[in-house]
Amino acid sequence: IAGITQAPTSQILAAGRRMTLRCTQDMRHNAMYWYRQDLGLGLRLIHYSNTAGTTGKGEVPDGYSVSRANTDDFPLTLASAVPSQTSVYFCASSAQLHNEQFFGPGTRLTVL
Amino acid sequence: GQNIDQPTEMTATEGAIVQINCTYQTSGFNGLFWYQQHAGEAPTFLSYNVLDGLEEKGRFSSFLSRSKGYSYLLLKELQMKDSASYLCAVRDSNYQLIWGAGTKLIIKP
Repeated sequence: IAGITQAPTSQILAAGRRMTLRCTQDMRHNAMYWYRQDLGLGLRLIHYSNTAGTTGKGEVPDGYSVSRANTDDFPLTLASAVPSQTSVYFCASSAQLHNEQFFGPGTRLTVL
Repeated sequence: GQNIDQPTEMTATEGAIVQINCTYQTSGFNGLFWYQQHAGEAPTFLSYNVLDGLEEKGRFSSFLSRSKGYSYLLLKELQMKDSASYLCAVRDSNYQLIWGAGTKLIIKP
């Protein structure tokens, strides 16, 4: 692994289903983030983690949950997907909170 | 409220110079970032300004005026591969990052 990876690359999901987006980094960064990007709205922060074992809410946290059991992994879970959660999801990491961020390749999620 | 303003779209010619502006109104200021994002790809870091003045990095330069709440990204000797969106982001007094919606730059031959 080099940098930050996300899985899956894309997913079509039925409304009401549970879905976990995976994110792994190998840079030993302390901070990690989940964003969604929608046309015309730019990046919006969903949740973040300052360090392993801690998480915080961003601008649009409702309907999403995260965990940070270790330094490398930061999964994002949609407990019961809704069509408004159709978006491109980016995971990112940085050495310290809100410093220069390195982004994963993104997950394109469609909820029908 | 906190706000970042950037033009939605700009067009420039290959070989020319283009300036992309960013104005911000935030709760305090602790640095400004510029990122580049090619269509269908992830954003990548370009520059960081925390003090007033110009930061030069090859063909790209970024300028900051904290008193005016203003920054610009200057791209010289434009190449077709510079066609991308350019995102401005400001870190406020709580060290939260506020993102602009981005400027789509179209380069024409």
